[in-house]
Order: sequence, then C-alpha cells, then structure tokens
Amino acid sequence: KAGVTQTPRYLIKTRGQQVTLSCSPISGHRSVSWYQQTPGQGLQFLFEYFSETQRNKGNFPGRFSGRQFSNSRSEMNVSTLELGDSALYLCASSSLRDSFRNEQFFGPGTRLTVL
Amino acid sequence: DAKTTQPNSMESNEEEPVHLPCNHSTISGTDYIHWYRQLPSQGPEYVIHGLTSNVNNRMASLAIAEDRKSSTLILHRATLRDAAVYYCILLRGNQFYFGTGTSLTVIP
Repeated sequence: KAGVTQTPRYLIKTRGQQVTLSCSPISGHRSVSWYQQTPGQGLQFLFEYFSETQRNKGNFPGRFSGRQFSNSRSEMNVSTLELGDSALYLCASSSLRDSFRNEQFFGPGTRLTVL
Repeated sequence: DAKTTQPNSMESNEEEPVHLPCNHSTISGTDYIHWYRQLPSQGPEYVIHGLTSNVNNRMASLAIAEDRKSSTLILHRATLRDAAVYYCILLRGNQFYFGTGTSLTVIP
C-alpha cells in the first residue's frame, strides 16, 4: 500500500506571497492532519480534516487554512507569507477504524523556505 | 494545554536496553500516551501507545506510571537504526500534543 505523499517536497517563496501544499493520504484513510515543524517550536498541530470537514484546529492565525476533497486528498494554504513560516510542513493520515488507537502515518513533509 | 517533558538527548550502546523517560503531569483521564520517532529527513513514525496499562509490541515496550504522570519507552536492544528523535505525545481528542523530543544516539 502506498504511503502518504506530499507535494512539492521543497518550495521557496518570498514574503507576502501565498502557497498551497498538497497531501495524498493512504488509500482508505479519511482523516488528514497537518503539522508545522520548526527548530524553535518543534512539532505543532495545525488542523485535522475528516470527510471534508475540519474537526480540530490548532493555535495558528487565520492565514493558515486547509481543505479536504471527496477523495480525502487535502491541501493547506498559507497566505501573506512571513519569514517565520519557514518550516517543514507534515501531513499525516489515519484510518480511524479504531477511534482509541488513532495511529497516524506521516508523509515526508514539504520544506517551505520564505525569503 | 497538554504538555510533555523529555530530556533533550540520551546515548546508548548498541545492543543495550534504552529507557526513554517522559513526564506528563497535566495528563487528564482520557488522554492517550503515544510515542513516535523521527529519523533524519523523514516524517515521524508510530512506535507505541497506551492509556493506563503497560504495553508491548515488536518495536518497544511502554511502561506507564500508576498515577499516569510519567511514562517510559523501553527499547530492549538498541540498534544503530534506532538512532532518532523520540517524541512523547499526549493524544487529547483527535489532537496530538508533541513534546520537544529526545535525540537518541546509539554508539556502536
């Protein structure tokens, strides 16, 4: 079974631009979560989608948004980029067949650099 | 907020057992304790999880204190492939709260 894929793997943008990152979950997984990883703040939860609905949201400004499509693929968008948005953005999917287990499968991440 | 505290780094000799500690004094009754590890240039991967009882799987064991305010991940025989950052995480609802992680160095 193919793992979680994220595109692009690397991205360079300038301040003020916007960016869209894509995540394709493992086939059959309906939950997709997004995380930001930086050296200073570590891994932080952004949001989680299940069946095209955002179920949970972390403590990030409204510039960070996302969506999920009917095939469970998800995108996240960051508008008006700031230097501090430079980070590794990770996507994880879960089957949620067992709601108490919730093992998440992570993709390799998209490395975003804001200049 | 759900919070975990881990040592920044630890070392272990190859083929020796490793005990990675985690404090989570703010844990609530329904929070699950998860451990993930992250190898260089990869996303995190699942290691083990538990609620109240100790857990074993093919990768590791998880020992949970009786008051649940701390836990220990046990790798029974460290190999060079176990060198990674190990994250102790609280799962509250459907949200993961990551600790800062312990960087494990395995010495041949």
